[in-house]
Amino acid sequence: QVQLVQSGAEVKKPGASVKVSCKASGYTFTSYGISWVRQAPGQGLEWMGWISAYNGNTNYAQKLQGRVTMTTDTSTSTAYMELRSLRSDDTAVYYCARAYGDDPWEAFDIWGQGTMVTVSS
Amino acid sequence: QSALTQPASVSGSPGQSITISCTGTSSDVGGYNYVSWYQQHPGKAPKLMIYDVSNRPSGVSNRFSGSKSGNTASLTISGLQAEDEADYYCSSYTSSSTHVFGGGTKLTVL
Repeated sequence: QVQLVQSGAEVKKPGASVKVSCKASGYTFTSYGISWVRQAPGQGLEWMGWISAYNGNTNYAQKLQGRVTMTTDTSTSTAYMELRSLRSDDTAVYYCARAYGDDPWEAFDIWGQGTMVTVSS
Repeated sequence: QSALTQPASVSGSPGQSITISCTGTSSDVGGYNYVSWYQQHPGKAPKLMIYDVSNRPSGVSNRFSGSKSGNTASLTISGLQAEDEADYYCSSYTSSSTHVFGGGTKLTVL
């Protein structure tokens, strides 16, 4: 079946970086984009950015520009999200979500299980 | 990009209908037919319920419907059931080629 499986929970110190993976299965990876969405504890959803698995084009949320990088490895059908210079307010569950197609405006139809990233000294 | 505006909470009794609003601007909700709605149960990943304003993905109950007028989109749930109790989020594509979510609405089934 179509699914996205994310890497496990991470604990990082302020100023460090984290890289979360999202392995896709059950569909043609390069036919769909991947968005990343995060959710701080008890808070709402925040869109972080989108990457085309077809050509690697990206769009990032303005507030994360310069700190986030999204990439894909088509040989393993895996998407990655790296966030640098971590701060305590980056503590959140990070989700990858498949876009309904390969266009940046598509809705998110399949979600990973989430990866908890805790930033604490 | 400011978050879309949703009511913090709504409630209804089983069998009733409820509507959740989602207000944005002409740069997001009003400018594009790319509004989507997500249901999230506690501790779970969100689930797509409506995309492109009013389309339901395969497998989503026809009790869920979406619409839009101007800068405000709406999600209506008819025949309310206990399992509908969850948080609901709207999302829109924007003129900055980004997505923006609403703050979320907690639905309580009385």
